[in-house]
Amino acid sequence: KAGVTQTPRYLIKTRGQQVTLSCSPISGHRSVSWYQQTPGQGLQFLFEYFSETQRNKGNFPGRFSGRQFSNSRSEMNVSTLELGDSALYLCASSEGHFPNYGYTFGSGTRLTVV
Amino acid sequence: AQSVTQLGSHVSVSEGALVLLRCNYSSSVPPYLFWYVQYPNQGLQLLLKYTSAATLVKGINGFEAEFKKSETSFHLTKPSAHMSDAAEYFCAVSASTGTASKLTFGTGTRLQVTL
Repeated sequence: KAGVTQTPRYLIKTRGQQVTLSCSPISGHRSVSWYQQTPGQGLQFLFEYFSETQRNKGNFPGRFSGRQFSNSRSEMNVSTLELGDSALYLCASSEGHFPNYGYTFGSGTRLTVV
Repeated sequence: AQSVTQLGSHVSVSEGALVLLRCNYSSSVPPYLFWYVQYPNQGLQLLLKYTSAATLVKGINGFEAEFKKSETSFHLTKPSAHMSDAAEYFCAVSASTGTASKLTFGTGTRLQVTL
């Protein structure tokens, strides 16, 4: 069974640009969550999607958005990139919406904004 | 609201020694608790989870953790450290009730294993 796949693994963007990150969950998993990891702020929750609906959102500006497709694949978009958006973005998938199912994480996309 | 506090950002043990990584949680509802490990340039791997069944939870790679409600703790232990255990470890909490599901992570503990 394939794990959670995130593409691309590495990305370099210029300040002011926008970026789209992709996440393919484990087959059969319907919940996809996104987290940002930085040395200063640690791991912070961005949002969660379940059956194409955003179920929960973290405390991030509107420049951060996401969506989930009917095949459960998810994309995350960041517009008007700032230097502080440089981070490892992690995607996690779960069978269900509730935390007792547990979460499986992908290897992440490392975004560098210059 | 939920939060976790990991005591000690760096822990160093000798190979073969006991590993003890501390995690205290705060939760307004019964919590679900998790330990994850992160190796350099990789994502997070689930070590174990507590979801209100047995209070002593056994995980992968010989790790285990005990849920102690009276102490609001969920410390991670391993009887004998191995060089391959060197990594960063994160404790996380989630609410077990309601429809909101997200993990709130601690700041992490970097485990160093020396010969």
